[in-house]
Amino acid sequence: AQSVTQPDIHITVSEGASLELRCNYSYGATPYLFWYVQSPGQGLQLLLKYFSGDTLVQGIKGFEAEFKRSQSSFNLRKPSVHWSDAAEYFCAVGALNTGFQKLVFGTGTRLLVSP
Amino acid sequence: DAGVTQSPTHLIKTRGQQVTLRCSPKSGHDTVSWYQQALGQGPQFIFQYYEEEERQRGNFPDRFSGHQFPNYSSELNVNALLLGDSALYLCASSFSGLDNKFEAFFGQGTRLTVV
Repeated sequence: AQSVTQPDIHITVSEGASLELRCNYSYGATPYLFWYVQSPGQGLQLLLKYFSGDTLVQGIKGFEAEFKRSQSSFNLRKPSVHWSDAAEYFCAVGALNTGFQKLVFGTGTRLLVSP
Repeated sequence: DAGVTQSPTHLIKTRGQQVTLRCSPKSGHDTVSWYQQALGQGPQFIFQYYEEEERQRGNFPDRFSGHQFPNYSSELNVNALLLGDSALYLCASSFSGLDNKFEAFFGQGTRLTVV
């Protein structure tokens, strides 16, 4: 079965510092991978996605992620964090079953940004 | 272009009651998926509707049911509500075409509180 692990429940980063959020997945085939962001009480906004090709993908708001097949990882990075980046971040893998897809999410990482 | 819209935004129900949540997909999308997000957790897949049929279902009891209408909008029904059904219910829409690659757009969610 597909699964996603986000080992960090909370991360605190100083404003202007770099950020890396970890994500490990388990999936038997080539995965479709996503990062979503959720502000308090809101829905999910897609930050970036990986389907195939270049393993370094760029997303919105200055985020990027790198797919490493050998490590089953898809870590999210940002070179300089802004206070508005404080939110919950979810990694997800697209699971294809009998031709119909669903998303399997990790438990999320809450990002706190300190002044 | 309106994105995915859900109604209502908040709802309070009593144990044992029934509830209906509604979702209108993004323009051009024909597939609707529902997710339950308990507090502090990642979203969990409930089921997916395509061509007015339930195409895939997660690990949820039969108390959870749904419907998709010819205009692609969808309803989620939960019968015999339990306290544990309290959660944010998210609707996601996508396009079933071959180039979709799981890209789902989420609504803002319906916060259901069961008392």
